[in-house]
This record gives sequence, C-alpha cells and structure tokens, in this order.
Amino acid sequence: KAGVTQTPRYLIKTRGQQVTLSCSPISGHRSVSWYQQTPGQGLQFLFEYFSETQRNKGNFPGRFSGRQFSNSRSEMNVSTLELGDSALYLCASSLAREEETQYFGPGTRLLVL
Amino acid sequence: AQKVTQAQTEISVVEKEDVTLDCVYETRDTTYYLFWYKQPPSGELVFLIRRNSFDEQNEISGRYSWNFQKSTSSFNFTITASQVVDSAVYFCALSEDRMDSSYKLIFGSGTRLLVRP
Repeated sequence: KAGVTQTPRYLIKTRGQQVTLSCSPISGHRSVSWYQQTPGQGLQFLFEYFSETQRNKGNFPGRFSGRQFSNSRSEMNVSTLELGDSALYLCASSLAREEETQYFGPGTRLLVL
Repeated sequence: AQKVTQAQTEISVVEKEDVTLDCVYETRDTTYYLFWYKQPPSGELVFLIRRNSFDEQNEISGRYSWNFQKSTSSFNFTITASQVVDSAVYFCALSEDRMDSSYKLIFGSGTRLLVRP
C-alpha cells in the first residue's frame, strides 16, 4: 500500500506571497492532519480534517487554512507568508480515531525569503 | 494541559552500545495514547510504537524495547546494540481520547541520537 504523499517536496517563496501544499493520505485513511516543524518551536499541530470537515485546530493564525476533498486528499494554504513560516510541513493520515496511529508523509520544506 | 518532555537533547554513543531515550508526559486524562517516532535526515516521521494508557506491559521488537510506567508518567525507549543506522531524531508523542474523536499529537522536543562507528 502506498504511503502518504506530499507535493511539492521543496518550495521557495517570498514574503507576502501565498502557498498551497498538497497531501494524499494512505488509501482508506479518512483523517488527515497537518503539522509544522521548526527548529525553534519543534513539531506543532496545525489542524485535522475528517470527511471534509475540520475537527481540530491548533494555535495558529488565520493565515493558515486547509481543506479536505471527498477523496480524503487535503490541501493547506498559507497566505501572506512571513519569514517565520519557513518550516517543514508534515501531513499525516490515519483511520480516523484517536487510538489509531498517524502515518506521516515526507513533508514539504518551505523556505520564505 | 498535556505536555511531553524529552530532556535529552542529544546523545552520542559508539556502535553496539545500549542507549535509553527518556520520555515524561503530563495529562489529566485516564485514557491516552503514547507514541514513538523516528525522524531520519530525510525528514519523514517513521512510526515505531503505540501504547494505550491501560496497557503497561513492556514491549520488545528486535533491538528496540519500551518501558511504560504510569506511576512515573514515563515511556522510555531503549535500543540494544545500537547501529549507525539508528542515528536519527526520536520523538515521543501523546494523544488524548477526545469526545469528538478528533486527532492531535503533542510531541516532545526530540532527542538526536548519533551512533558512531
């Protein structure tokens, strides 16, 4: 079974631009979560989607948004990029319940100049 | 509030040594789940183990073993006879049983393990 895939793998943007990252979960997984990893803040939860609905949200500004499609694929969008948004963005999928394991994709490395 | 503490920022060992990575967690819930993930330089988080709060049995998988002690809120990870391929950052994480079944992992800050030949 194919794992979680994320595109693009690397991205360079400038301040003020917006960016969209994509995540395709493992087949059959309906929950998709996003995490931001930075050297200073570590791994932080962004949001989780299930059946096209956001079920949980971390403590991030409204510039960070996401959505999930009917095929469980998910996108996250960051508008008005700031230098501090430079990070590794990781997507994870699971079968949906909290006792299930989340499996992570390879991540998208975003650099904001 | 939930919290995961990995006090060891970096550990360096020589190949074939045993090494233990510490994890201490805080939660008010009685039902919760603990995880260990490995992050090699490529960046992807690789799942190693999941343990629920009602299962305190220790687990061994090859050279890996985990010691879960609710009395001390610890979930430590031991690698026996370490190998260079074990070099990575290891994260401990906590997930709580939520009424809405939503998913959120709280991660520790990670322990960077360097295994030298």
